[in-house]
Amino acid sequence: DAEITQSPRHKITETGRQVTLACHQTWNHNNMFWYRQDLGHGLRLIHYSYGVHDTNKGEVSDGYSVSRSNTEDLPLTLESAASSQTSVYFCASSDSYQETQYFGPGTRLLVL
Amino acid sequence: GQNIDQPTEMTATEGAIVQINCTYQTSGFNGLFWYQQHAGEAPTFLSYNVLDGLEEKGRFSSFLSRSKGYSYLLLKELQMKDSASYLCAVLDSNYQLIWGAGTKLIIKP
Repeated sequence: DAEITQSPRHKITETGRQVTLACHQTWNHNNMFWYRQDLGHGLRLIHYSYGVHDTNKGEVSDGYSVSRSNTEDLPLTLESAASSQTSVYFCASSDSYQETQYFGPGTRLLVL
Repeated sequence: GQNIDQPTEMTATEGAIVQINCTYQTSGFNGLFWYQQHAGEAPTFLSYNVLDGLEEKGRFSSFLSRSKGYSYLLLKELQMKDSASYLCAVLDSNYQLIWGAGTKLIIKP
């Protein structure tokens, strides 16, 4: 069965370190998204991609970067982790602009 | 700015019916989604409305009025497993999903 996976599921890091969160989907979807979810806020879009070598900034992109070298993967990098980046991170994918987004299980990141 | 409003928390009784409202103000509209999210888990798709009216899917129904910027999710014959957060999201003119903060639904026996 097609799926979307994220790793690690839990991560503790220190302020200033570079962290990369992995996202892998086997749906063969063109579109991939990274969100963060914090208490009291809706899901907020960090970065998104509509295809290989395409990346775009979302609402809260400062301090984050992505790259899309193939259809299946969209890793999210925190260049220099900050305590404000402690959050739950969800990756999602969809087949086209108006199609349903399917979510990975999430990564809980704690920055100390 | 863009805004999605939904109640923070609702409580209902097992076997009853509950309606979760969502109002939105967005730059353009290309459809409205409802997702369910159990605590500690990922959001999962429930429904999609792009035209006015009611869409029924088993115990769950979703209604849309584009002129009023309003939607609701109706859950019938509530079960304990329906205890979750329900997220409303609008696809705007740039085909970006704008998310509400979610409604936490508590089901009591």
